[in-house]
Amino acid sequence: DVKVTQSSRYLVKRTGEKVFLECVQDMDHENMFWYRQDPGLGLRLIYFSYDVKMKEKGDIPEGYSVSREKKERFSLILESASTNQTSMYLCASADTARVGQYFGPGTRLTVT
Amino acid sequence: AQKVTQAQTEISVVEKEDVTLDCVYETRDTTYYLFWYKQPPSGELVFLIRRNSFDEQNEISGRYSWNFQKSTSSFNFTITASQVVDSAVYFCALRLSGYSTLTFGKGTMLLVSP
Repeated sequence: DVKVTQSSRYLVKRTGEKVFLECVQDMDHENMFWYRQDPGLGLRLIYFSYDVKMKEKGDIPEGYSVSREKKERFSLILESASTNQTSMYLCASADTARVGQYFGPGTRLTVT
Repeated sequence: AQKVTQAQTEISVVEKEDVTLDCVYETRDTTYYLFWYKQPPSGELVFLIRRNSFDEQNEISGRYSWNFQKSTSSFNFTITASQVVDSAVYFCALRLSGYSTLTFGKGTMLLVSP
């Protein structure tokens, strides 16, 4: 079974802090994704990566950056966390040859 | 641009009732894939089904069934004899051929009470 893990289930940070959210997948998938989920808004794509060191902006990239130095790991970075970035963050991975995305358990981030 | 609409924000049923979750999509592409995911209270999205645009055959898996109709751009999901464990948020999503990204609907929260 595909396994996508995220470094934390719950995280509390202060405004202005630099925040790293880590995601690791164990199935050698080319594609990895970061979403945020907010009530009433569903899932919105922040960034995705289709290969090591490659990244593409999603629908809401402002205030975020990403890093993919190794194929299995995709990091989401909040350079200076703000309260409006309080949300559930979901990571996913997908093999180009297959069609579905596999999701991690999510990180609930609270910025105070 | 593509779009997925789940008009039902929240549905409440009593155990053993049948329930249908609606999904309407918009795309100009002729080749695409449709998905349903389940998100239980634990938070992790669980893949339920994938359908490609050339396969309009309905599918049944246990108590779950899916009705894909290209003529109405709909991909509805029915749970027969619902159970409390079906309580979750359900997402419909669309992926275009040649792209790796998914466009999600806003989700439907299903509450099944005993």
